[in-house]
Amino acid sequence: KNQVEQSPQSLIILEGKNCTLQCNYTVSPFSNLRWYKQDTGRGPVSLTIMTFSENTKSNGRYTATLDADTKQSSLHITASQLSDSASYICVVSATDSSYKLIFGSGTRLLVRP
Amino acid sequence: GAVVSQHPSRVICKSGTSVKIECRSLDFQATTMFWYRQFPKKSLMLMATSNEGSKATYEQGVEKDKFLINHASLTLSTLTVTSAHPEDSSFYICSARKGGGGVYGYTFGSGTRLTVV
Repeated sequence: KNQVEQSPQSLIILEGKNCTLQCNYTVSPFSNLRWYKQDTGRGPVSLTIMTFSENTKSNGRYTATLDADTKQSSLHITASQLSDSASYICVVSATDSSYKLIFGSGTRLLVRP
Repeated sequence: GAVVSQHPSRVICKSGTSVKIECRSLDFQATTMFWYRQFPKKSLMLMATSNEGSKATYEQGVEKDKFLINHASLTLSTLTVTSAHPEDSSFYICSARKGGGGVYGYTFGSGTRLTVV
C-alpha cells in the first residue's frame, strides 16, 4: 500500500533555531517527492520538488534531502522565523497514470519568539 | 506562473441549500483537477479527480450525488455541495495539474472554508 509517514507530528522551536522534519514513504513506483508549506486556512504552497535522481534541493532557508534507496526525505529549516509556523506536508507522486498525490499527515511547526 | 484561483474563500450557507466552489487555472491549461477535503489538523483527503470534458472519478466513500464536479473547460472546475448539512462543513481545496505533466505540474488553490448552519 502506498503510504507517506511524517515525523514528528508537531514541533515547537525558538525563533532563530534550526529544525529537521522527516518523511518516510512506501510509494512505488516512485516518481517525485514534494514538500509543501500550509498556513492555517490556506492551500499548500510548494517548497521543493525532487525526482529520483536528485538528493538535495534548496529553496531559501528550506533544504530538502531525498534518499531513494531508503525511501526517506527530510526538510531542514535554517534560522527559523515566526512566519515559518505552519504545517509542512510531504507528498509523493507515483509513476502511474492516475497522477494522484499521496499525502503525509504533516508536521505542525510552531516557532516561538 | 501556474496560479490557481479558488473562490469563494469562505462561505456560510443554510442547511439544505447548495453551494458552488470554483477553481480556475489562471495562466495555464489544466487537463486534470483534483478536489480535496481537509479536516482540522488533518492532511488533505482526495475526494475526486476531474478531467476536462469527462465525468469525474470519485474516491471510495465520496457521494457523487452530493459532491457534483464539473470540469467544463481546461481552466475551470466547479464543486457543488448539494443539500448541504452541518457535517459537510469543512475546508475544501482544489489542485490543478498542468497539461503535459512533469514534476512541476501541480498547483493548489487557496481553499474554501464551508460552514453549514
